[in-house]
Amino acid sequence: NAGVTQTPKFQVLKTGQSMTLQCAQDMNHEYMSWYRQDPGMGLRLIHYSVGAGITDQGEVPNGYNVSRSTTEDFPLRLLSAAPSQTSVYFCASRRTSGPTDTQYFGPGTRLTVL
Amino acid sequence: GESVGLHLPTLSVQEGDNSIINCAYSNSASDYFIWYKQESGKGPQFIIDIRSNMDKRQGQRVTVLLNKTVKHLSLQIAATQPGDSAVYFCAETLSNAGGTSYGKLTFGQGTILTVHP
Repeated sequence: NAGVTQTPKFQVLKTGQSMTLQCAQDMNHEYMSWYRQDPGMGLRLIHYSVGAGITDQGEVPNGYNVSRSTTEDFPLRLLSAAPSQTSVYFCASRRTSGPTDTQYFGPGTRLTVL
Repeated sequence: GESVGLHLPTLSVQEGDNSIINCAYSNSASDYFIWYKQESGKGPQFIIDIRSNMDKRQGQRVTVLLNKTVKHLSLQIAATQPGDSAVYFCAETLSNAGGTSYGKLTFGQGTILTVHP
């Protein structure tokens, strides 16, 4: 299994541009989520999905859209990039059932908005 | 809002020493806690977890202690190795009635652990 994969690894945008961060997992996990990590801070939840066709907002959803058309993929869209969205973005997945809540994180996408 | 925080932002130890990383949480309703390790340029990696009905849980070279009275969580790493150097995060969440979380984790700030050979 490849686990959780993210593309691109690095991206530079200009203010106002749009882009989509890709996330895929091959573990048949129902739950997927997006976090952002800013310098000196822990991860903050942006959006999450408990299954195909179901998404919900996390702690910091403004400026981001998500969709979940398949179990495997959970893309994150920036509609109009702003410098405040400069961050490292992590996608994660897990099973919705089981005795532990182990989340598997992708390697991250480092985004810079100029 | 309520959040999880860490007492010490940095910790330096010698190889072979035992390390203790602390975490304070403020949401008394949280019932599931996780420690993650994040190496430079990588995503967080699960280390160990504990539910609120437990005080202690041991893994391989790691032990997590939970003190619900003072809302304190700690991670103990035995015989610390240079490969343990990383940022360590604690995270908390509230399980649903079935005991399974939807993974809406609240992360602490993180502690940088540096292990000197």
